[in-house]
Amino acid sequence: RKEVEQDPGPFNVPEGATVAFNCTYSNSASQSFFWYRQDCRKEPKLLMSVYSSGNEDGRFTAQLNRASQYISLLIRDSKLSDSATYLCVVNTNAGKSTFGDGTTLTVKP
Amino acid sequence: DAGVTQSPTHLIKTRGQQVTLRCSPKSGHDTVSWYQQALGQGPQFIFQYYEEEERQRGNFPDRFSGHQFPNYSSELNVNALLLGDSALYLCASSLRAYEQYFGPGTRLTVT
Repeated sequence: RKEVEQDPGPFNVPEGATVAFNCTYSNSASQSFFWYRQDCRKEPKLLMSVYSSGNEDGRFTAQLNRASQYISLLIRDSKLSDSATYLCVVNTNAGKSTFGDGTTLTVKP
Repeated sequence: DAGVTQSPTHLIKTRGQQVTLRCSPKSGHDTVSWYQQALGQGPQFIFQYYEEEERQRGNFPDRFSGHQFPNYSSELNVNALLLGDSALYLCASSLRAYEQYFGPGTRLTVT
């Protein structure tokens, strides 16, 4: 079993749709959590950190459930430009980062 | 403010050869991590350098080694290259263990 698991998708949604991605992690010593987006053949770019209280940045909302070892990302009012692969990242305090394999989103006109 | 830079952009090597990849961190960052990303997979953590020492290491053989210099820049060395080492190698910098910012990567092809 992988340390960080994501539904690979692909998710194909129309513009304006709301879409949610889930991520589970197995290492209970994990301390910090992030979502990155990666466009085809480009480097990952930080989308947002994930806090225990949940956090929102415009159309994006991230949630963390430590008890269930589960992270989510909600995208509202999807835009064509949101088409990308979304990577869940889990860090331990010791400095080790573990990435999921990503969930692919395609937003269609 | 320059972001994370990596060199070279692309590299073609033959099995058995050795390669060195370079990374300059974002200004103000003191920690550099290296990742290997194969097609269709997420980045796999190779190791992390902080204060010129390897702080953490992923499940990679000793053929993978690195170094961090006093100016925080870093090198990744891979010896005895295998076909399976063909991948995108990403460098990420951060301030301590906080958010990481990635460079554009080096695409290595081993033939």
